Amino acid sequence: EVQLVESGGGLVQPGRSLRLSCTASGFTFGDYAMSWVRQAPGKGLEWVGFIRSKTYGGTTQYAASVKGRFTISRDDSKSIAYLQMTSLKTEDTAVYYCTRGLWFGEYCFDYWGQGTLVTVSS
Amino acid sequence: QSVLTQPPSASGTPGQRVTISCSGSSSNIGSNYVYWYQQLPGTAPKLLIYRNNQRPSGVPDRFSGSKSGTSASLAISGLRSEDEAAYYCAAWDDSLSVPYVFGTGTKVTVL
Repeated sequence: EVQLVESGGGLVQPGRSLRLSCTASGFTFGDYAMSWVRQAPGKGLEWVGFIRSKTYGGTTQYAASVKGRFTISRDDSKSIAYLQMTSLKTEDTAVYYCTRGLWFGEYCFDYWGQGTLVTVSS
Repeated sequence: QSVLTQPPSASGTPGQRVTISCSGSSSNIGSNYVYWYQQLPGTAPKLLIYRNNQRPSGVPDRFSGSKSGTSASLAISGLRSEDEAAYYCAAWDDSLSVPYVFGTGTKVTVL
Protein backbone atom coordinates (compact mmCIF):
# COMPACT_ATOMS: atom_id res chain seq x y z
CA GLU A 1 0.00 0.00 0.00
CA VAL A 2 1.36 3.40 -1.00
CA GLN A 3 1.79 5.70 1.98
CA LEU A 4 3.10 9.24 2.21
CA VAL A 5 3.58 10.78 5.65
CA GLU A 6 4.47 14.44 6.05
CA SER A 7 6.16 15.82 9.13
CA GLY A 8 7.94 18.93 10.34
CA GLY A 9 5.09 21.42 10.33
CA GLY A 10 4.45 23.86 13.13
CA LEU A 11 4.48 27.50 14.16
CA VAL A 12 7.32 29.63 12.81
CA GLN A 13 8.00 33.35 12.81
CA PRO A 14 8.07 35.39 9.59
CA GLY A 15 11.51 35.41 8.00
CA ARG A 16 12.55 32.12 9.59
CA SER A 17 13.08 28.72 7.97
CA LEU A 18 11.43 25.33 8.27
CA ARG A 19 12.03 21.94 6.67
CA LEU A 20 9.24 19.51 5.92
CA SER A 21 9.78 15.82 5.31
CA CYS A 22 7.72 13.31 3.37
CA THR A 23 8.42 9.68 4.22
CA ALA A 24 7.24 7.23 1.58
CA SER A 25 6.53 3.52 1.67
CA GLY A 26 4.82 0.86 -0.41
CA PHE A 27 6.56 1.67 -3.71
CA THR A 28 10.02 2.08 -5.23
CA PHE A 29 10.60 5.69 -4.20
CA GLY A 30 13.46 6.34 -6.59
CA ASP A 31 11.30 5.59 -9.63
CA TYR A 32 8.91 8.47 -9.02
CA ALA A 33 8.84 12.25 -8.98
CA MET A 34 7.70 13.85 -5.74
CA SER A 35 5.72 17.04 -5.44
CA TRP A 36 4.43 19.46 -2.81
CA VAL A 37 1.02 21.13 -2.89
CA ARG A 38 -0.31 23.54 -0.28
CA GLN A 39 -3.71 24.73 0.84
CA ALA A 40 -4.19 27.91 2.87
CA PRO A 41 -6.94 27.74 5.50
CA GLY A 42 -10.33 27.73 3.79
CA LYS A 43 -8.75 28.18 0.35
CA GLY A 44 -8.03 26.11 -2.73
CA LEU A 45 -5.03 24.08 -3.78
CA GLU A 46 -1.74 25.64 -4.89
CA TRP A 47 1.08 23.67 -6.49
CA VAL A 48 4.43 24.45 -4.85
CA GLY A 49 6.90 22.44 -6.90
CA PHE A 50 8.34 19.04 -7.62
CA ILE A 51 11.50 17.03 -8.10
CA ARG A 52 11.93 14.48 -10.85
CA SER A 53 13.41 11.05 -10.29
CA LYS A 54 17.15 10.56 -10.84
CA THR A 55 16.25 8.77 -14.08
CA TYR A 56 14.94 12.09 -15.36
CA GLY A 57 17.80 14.10 -13.94
CA GLY A 58 16.43 14.79 -10.46
CA THR A 59 15.66 18.33 -11.59
CA THR A 60 13.18 20.63 -9.90
CA GLN A 61 10.49 23.11 -10.86
CA TYR A 62 8.74 25.62 -8.64
CA ALA A 63 5.79 27.95 -8.63
CA ALA A 64 6.75 31.60 -9.01
CA SER A 65 5.39 32.37 -5.54
CA VAL A 66 8.05 30.26 -3.83
CA LYS A 67 10.91 30.20 -6.34
CA GLY A 68 14.16 31.28 -4.71
CA ARG A 69 12.79 30.70 -1.19
CA PHE A 70 11.77 27.02 -1.25
CA THR A 71 13.93 24.04 -2.23
CA ILE A 72 12.80 20.49 -2.85
CA SER A 73 15.27 17.64 -2.47
CA ARG A 74 15.17 13.90 -2.08
CA ASP A 75 17.05 11.07 -0.40
CA ASP A 76 16.26 7.91 -2.33
CA SER A 77 18.19 5.75 0.16
CA LYS A 78 15.73 6.79 2.89
CA SER A 79 12.63 7.21 0.68
CA ILE A 80 12.21 10.78 1.90
CA ALA A 81 11.41 13.98 0.04
CA TYR A 82 12.10 17.34 1.65
CA LEU A 83 10.73 20.84 1.34
CA GLN A 84 13.15 23.42 2.70
CA MET A 85 11.35 26.72 3.24
CA THR A 86 13.26 29.93 3.92
CA SER A 87 12.29 33.59 4.32
CA LEU A 88 8.82 32.48 5.31
CA LYS A 89 5.94 34.89 4.97
CA THR A 90 2.54 34.94 6.65
CA GLU A 91 0.99 34.04 3.30
CA ASP A 92 2.90 30.73 3.36
CA THR A 93 0.56 29.57 6.14
CA ALA A 94 -1.08 26.41 4.80
CA VAL A 95 -1.42 22.68 5.01
CA TYR A 96 1.39 21.21 2.93
CA TYR A 97 0.72 17.96 1.10
CA CYS A 98 3.31 15.64 -0.35
CA THR A 99 2.29 13.83 -3.53
CA ARG A 100 3.74 11.15 -5.77
CA GLY A 101 4.33 11.98 -9.41
CA LEU A 102 3.65 9.20 -11.92
CA TRP A 103 5.13 9.77 -15.39
CA PHE A 104 3.22 8.76 -18.51
CA GLY A 105 4.20 11.56 -20.85
CA GLU A 106 3.05 14.04 -18.22
CA TYR A 107 3.32 13.81 -14.46
CA CYS A 108 0.17 12.74 -12.67
CA PHE A 109 -0.01 13.24 -8.90
CA ASP A 110 -1.70 10.03 -7.95
CA TYR A 111 -1.13 9.59 -4.21
CA TRP A 112 -1.25 12.25 -1.50
CA GLY A 113 -0.18 12.35 2.11
CA GLN A 114 -2.44 13.57 4.91
CA GLY A 115 -0.70 16.95 5.10
CA THR A 116 1.18 18.93 7.72
CA LEU A 117 0.17 22.41 8.90
CA VAL A 118 2.64 25.27 8.72
CA THR A 119 1.66 28.47 10.50
CA VAL A 120 3.77 31.56 9.90
CA SER A 121 3.04 34.14 12.55
CA SER A 122 4.81 36.39 15.02
CA GLN B 1 -4.06 32.84 -8.13
CA SER B 2 -5.78 30.03 -10.07
CA VAL B 3 -5.83 30.23 -13.84
CA LEU B 4 -8.46 27.51 -14.22
CA THR B 5 -11.98 28.76 -13.50
CA GLN B 6 -14.67 26.61 -11.89
CA PRO B 7 -18.10 27.50 -10.51
CA PRO B 8 -17.87 27.88 -6.73
CA SER B 9 -20.75 25.55 -6.04
CA ALA B 10 -23.02 22.90 -7.51
CA SER B 11 -25.77 20.82 -6.00
CA GLY B 12 -28.20 18.02 -6.69
CA THR B 13 -30.46 15.51 -5.06
CA PRO B 14 -29.49 11.85 -4.66
CA GLY B 15 -29.59 10.05 -7.99
CA GLN B 16 -29.27 13.20 -10.08
CA ARG B 17 -26.46 14.06 -12.48
CA VAL B 18 -24.21 17.00 -11.65
CA THR B 19 -21.70 18.57 -14.02
CA ILE B 20 -18.77 20.80 -13.07
CA SER B 21 -17.02 22.95 -15.65
CA CYS B 22 -13.36 23.98 -15.78
CA SER B 23 -12.26 26.79 -18.08
CA GLY B 24 -8.64 27.35 -19.01
CA SER B 25 -6.54 28.53 -21.92
CA SER B 26 -4.43 27.30 -24.80
CA SER B 27 -1.33 27.05 -22.57
CA ASN B 28 -2.91 24.63 -20.12
CA ILE B 29 -6.11 22.72 -20.93
CA GLY B 30 -5.75 23.49 -24.62
CA SER B 31 -2.43 21.65 -24.89
CA ASN B 32 -2.21 19.27 -21.93
CA TYR B 33 -4.24 16.67 -20.09
CA VAL B 34 -6.83 17.56 -17.45
CA TYR B 35 -6.90 16.01 -13.99
CA TRP B 36 -9.66 16.07 -11.39
CA TYR B 37 -9.26 15.73 -7.64
CA GLN B 38 -11.87 15.11 -4.97
CA GLN B 39 -11.39 16.50 -1.47
CA LEU B 40 -13.79 15.17 1.13
CA PRO B 41 -14.26 17.41 4.19
CA GLY B 42 -11.21 17.39 6.46
CA THR B 43 -9.19 15.04 4.26
CA ALA B 44 -6.42 15.18 1.68
CA PRO B 45 -7.29 15.44 -2.01
CA LYS B 46 -7.63 12.24 -4.00
CA LEU B 47 -7.04 11.71 -7.72
CA LEU B 48 -10.38 11.15 -9.41
CA ILE B 49 -9.69 11.51 -13.14
CA TYR B 50 -6.43 11.62 -15.10
CA ARG B 51 -5.62 12.04 -18.79
CA ASN B 52 -8.95 13.89 -19.31
CA ASN B 53 -11.22 10.88 -18.82
CA GLN B 54 -9.38 7.98 -17.20
CA ARG B 55 -10.37 6.70 -13.77
CA PRO B 56 -7.80 5.27 -11.35
CA SER B 57 -8.56 1.86 -9.95
CA GLY B 58 -11.29 2.07 -7.32
CA VAL B 59 -12.98 5.21 -8.61
CA PRO B 60 -16.64 4.44 -9.44
CA ASP B 61 -17.74 4.78 -13.05
CA ARG B 62 -20.31 7.33 -11.86
CA PHE B 63 -17.49 9.82 -12.28
CA SER B 64 -16.55 10.78 -15.82
CA GLY B 65 -14.38 13.48 -17.36
CA SER B 66 -14.28 15.14 -20.74
CA LYS B 67 -12.35 17.88 -22.49
CA SER B 68 -13.04 20.10 -25.47
CA GLY B 69 -10.67 22.82 -26.59
CA THR B 70 -9.72 24.93 -23.58
CA SER B 71 -12.47 23.62 -21.31
CA ALA B 72 -13.15 20.44 -19.41
CA SER B 73 -15.93 19.03 -17.32
CA LEU B 74 -16.53 16.46 -14.62
CA ALA B 75 -19.83 14.66 -14.45
CA ILE B 76 -21.17 12.80 -11.45
CA SER B 77 -24.11 10.59 -12.28
CA GLY B 78 -26.29 8.86 -9.71
CA LEU B 79 -25.27 11.42 -7.09
CA ARG B 80 -24.74 9.98 -3.62
CA SER B 81 -24.40 11.63 -0.21
CA GLU B 82 -20.76 10.57 0.00
CA ASP B 83 -20.01 12.63 -3.12
CA GLU B 84 -20.41 15.82 -1.10
CA ALA B 85 -16.93 17.30 -1.41
CA ALA B 86 -14.80 19.91 -3.10
CA TYR B 87 -13.66 19.11 -6.63
CA TYR B 88 -10.62 20.63 -8.32
CA CYS B 89 -9.51 20.45 -11.92
CA ALA B 90 -5.81 20.77 -12.75
CA ALA B 91 -3.46 20.82 -15.71
CA TRP B 92 0.13 21.41 -16.63
CA ASP B 93 0.72 24.86 -18.03
CA ASP B 94 3.30 25.66 -20.68
CA SER B 95 4.14 28.96 -19.00
CA LEU B 96 7.19 29.04 -16.75
CA SER B 97 5.65 30.99 -13.87
CA VAL B 98 3.24 28.29 -12.68
CA PRO B 99 3.99 24.98 -14.38
CA TYR B 100 1.05 23.15 -12.76
CA VAL B 101 -2.24 24.91 -12.11
CA PHE B 102 -5.34 24.02 -10.13
CA GLY B 103 -8.86 25.20 -10.66
CA THR B 104 -10.63 27.45 -8.20
CA GLY B 105 -12.59 24.50 -6.82
CA THR B 106 -16.27 23.57 -6.76
CA LYS B 107 -18.14 22.56 -3.63
CA VAL B 108 -20.74 19.93 -4.42
CA THR B 109 -23.68 19.71 -2.03
CA VAL B 110 -26.07 16.78 -1.98
CA LEU B 111 -29.48 18.15 -1.04
